[in-house]
Amino acid sequence: DGGITQSPKYLFRKEGQNVTLSCEQNLNHDAMYWYRQDPGQGLRLIYYSQIVNDFQKGDIAEGYSVSREKKESFPLTVTSAQKNPTAFYLCASSIDMTGFSLGQPQHFGDGTRLSIL
Amino acid sequence: GDSVTQMEGPVTLSEEAFLTINCTYTATGYPSLFWYVQYPGEGLQLLLKATKADDKGSNKGFEATYRKETTSFHLEKGSVQVSDSAVYFCALRKSPVYGGATNKLIFGTGTLLAVQP
Repeated sequence: DGGITQSPKYLFRKEGQNVTLSCEQNLNHDAMYWYRQDPGQGLRLIYYSQIVNDFQKGDIAEGYSVSREKKESFPLTVTSAQKNPTAFYLCASSIDMTGFSLGQPQHFGDGTRLSIL
Repeated sequence: GDSVTQMEGPVTLSEEAFLTINCTYTATGYPSLFWYVQYPGEGLQLLLKATKADDKGSNKGFEATYRKETTSFHLEKGSVQVSDSAVYFCALRKSPVYGGATNKLIFGTGTLLAVQP
């Protein structure tokens, strides 16, 4: 079955440590996204990528970094500069810009819950 | 700026009750509108969508009509079940004509629905 796989499901970070969240999709989608979900705040966009080797900052990119070396992979690194990293992180993908403009939705993974030790 | 406003939850209903979750939006032009559902510990799943005024999206007994005149996209279901208990998110995607080329979704804060037997 095609879909988006996020790993790990739970992750713990020590102070001053960088951690990387994995996101892999086999939907052959061009566009991929990372969101952060906090209680009562809905989803906020961290980074997005419309094509391999290209990505753009979202609304809350500070303290995060991404790479898009392969079409199917879009890992997110939460750096030590992110002072409040405890949240639920969601990865999503969509077909491409044209597909999205016709109402094609974003597809989501099951998320990674990050906590601070 | 563009935004989505949802009714605050939690919404608590008895099984077989009628459900309405209000959603209004602010955006230029004709955005695409979506309802997503999030079950506990999972990612978001697309529930339904509408891409132009007066469109009605429907799925699994849920319905929502795109009302341009009231800038609304209220979610309804005639008879809820315990299995419908989840968080529901309303979201918009800007029209490409009005700067929607970035593929970004703008989410409401989510509404928790709890259905009791």
